[in-house]
Amino acid sequence: EAQVTQNPRYLITVTGKKLTVTCSQNMNHEYMSWYRQDPGLGLRQIYYSMNVEVTDKGDVPEGYKVSRKEKRNFPLILESPSPNQTSLYFCASKRVALGLGTGELFFGEGSRLTVL
Amino acid sequence: RKEVEQDPGPFNVPEGATVAFNCTYSNSASQSFFWYRQDCRKEPKLLMSVYSSGNEDGRFTAQLNRASQYISLLIRDSKLSDSATYLCAGGGADSWGKFQFGAGTQVVVTP
Repeated sequence: EAQVTQNPRYLITVTGKKLTVTCSQNMNHEYMSWYRQDPGLGLRQIYYSMNVEVTDKGDVPEGYKVSRKEKRNFPLILESPSPNQTSLYFCASKRVALGLGTGELFFGEGSRLTVL
Repeated sequence: RKEVEQDPGPFNVPEGATVAFNCTYSNSASQSFFWYRQDCRKEPKLLMSVYSSGNEDGRFTAQLNRASQYISLLIRDSKLSDSATYLCAGGGADSWGKFQFGAGTQVVVTP
């Protein structure tokens, strides 16, 4: 089954304790991206990756790191989480089609993170 | 100002009625547009892409108005199962890798 898998799905942690949210896709998609979703603000893009070893900042990259060492994986790293990073996080991937911005974004089920 | 803005609603719609709502975008360089459906904090799922000529998929019709910088979604013959939050998305402006989403429009279809 084609899917984007995120782990953990739920996490409660404390300020300053480094954590990683993993994201893996089995569709051989070149493009992957991370979003956070907060009430009233919608989905905001954190980082995206066009392909292996190519990553770029989205609109809200502060406090996050990513890496893309393999095509299927795109982990999100919070080196020193803070309470304002409490949010619902989604990973997404898509095929890179000819032409700009085409192709469906497939989302993972989301990771609900609480930072105390 | 957000690059993509939507009326949050909720739009309360009787079953069988038609509902329509818009989404405005501020970056005229945006290249592609989409409507996604999201149920109760689950993952968004693509409803339809939006093409310049407008497109229809069953009871759903999407339109793009580049002159006024908005996209629209119309739902005909609303079903109870259409109750959801509808997110519009635009991409390919500064970089085709960047996609901006609106905060969503909530639709509630009532019996």
